[in-house]
Amino acid sequence: GAVVSQHPSRVICKSGTSVKIECRSLDFQATTMFWYRQFPKQSLMLMATSNEGSKATYEQGVEKDKFLINHASLTLSTLTVTSAHPEDSSFYICSAISGGDYGYTFGSGTRLTVV
Amino acid sequence: AQSVTQPDIHITVSEGASLELRCNYSYGATPYLFWYVQSPGQGLQLLLKYFSGDTLVQGIKGFEAEFKRSQSSFNLRKPSVHWSDAAEYFCAVTSGGGADGLTFGKGTHLIIQP
Repeated sequence: GAVVSQHPSRVICKSGTSVKIECRSLDFQATTMFWYRQFPKQSLMLMATSNEGSKATYEQGVEKDKFLINHASLTLSTLTVTSAHPEDSSFYICSAISGGDYGYTFGSGTRLTVV
Repeated sequence: AQSVTQPDIHITVSEGASLELRCNYSYGATPYLFWYVQSPGQGLQLLLKYFSGDTLVQGIKGFEAEFKRSQSSFNLRKPSVHWSDAAEYFCAVTSGGGADGLTFGKGTHLIIQP
């Protein structure tokens, strides 16, 4: 079946630094990937839609300059949290559509802690 | 705008008992509906999805869900739960275009009593 690999699974960074999270589709090509954010014990909120070869589409209220998304190939999308602050600490999950039956496959998530 | 409501934040069920998790959606067109399960600190696993056709959908791990357009509902059921079913369950909806992300409900935390 379709597999989405997300790395790292956990990352701790200092306030003011940037951190990059990778999302790879291992056995299929993904022209569209999605990035979600999940606060503790809460639901997933769509942050942005990542399209291969074009600019990402951000949801209302998401700072595009803070959350940089790059989708340079059909199998890789990256989310870079720039100038991270403690309030950016969260669980970030990527997803990709595999196949024509709207199979949204999710990565295993990245726990970001900013100290 | 589309939305999903899961009215039960927590549900406690005895092992071996039946389960029903409620999901109501708000969407102007024909919705594409999903149920996912999430274990602590993990990603999401798809249990089942509904696009069209038979309104009773069978999924993995013995789960099923029934789409009721008149009630805008897509409730998840299982006839007999196992301790391993304890997890967070999310209902989600999207449009049929295939280019949109999912809108999730707030989730239902399922607790299994021995």
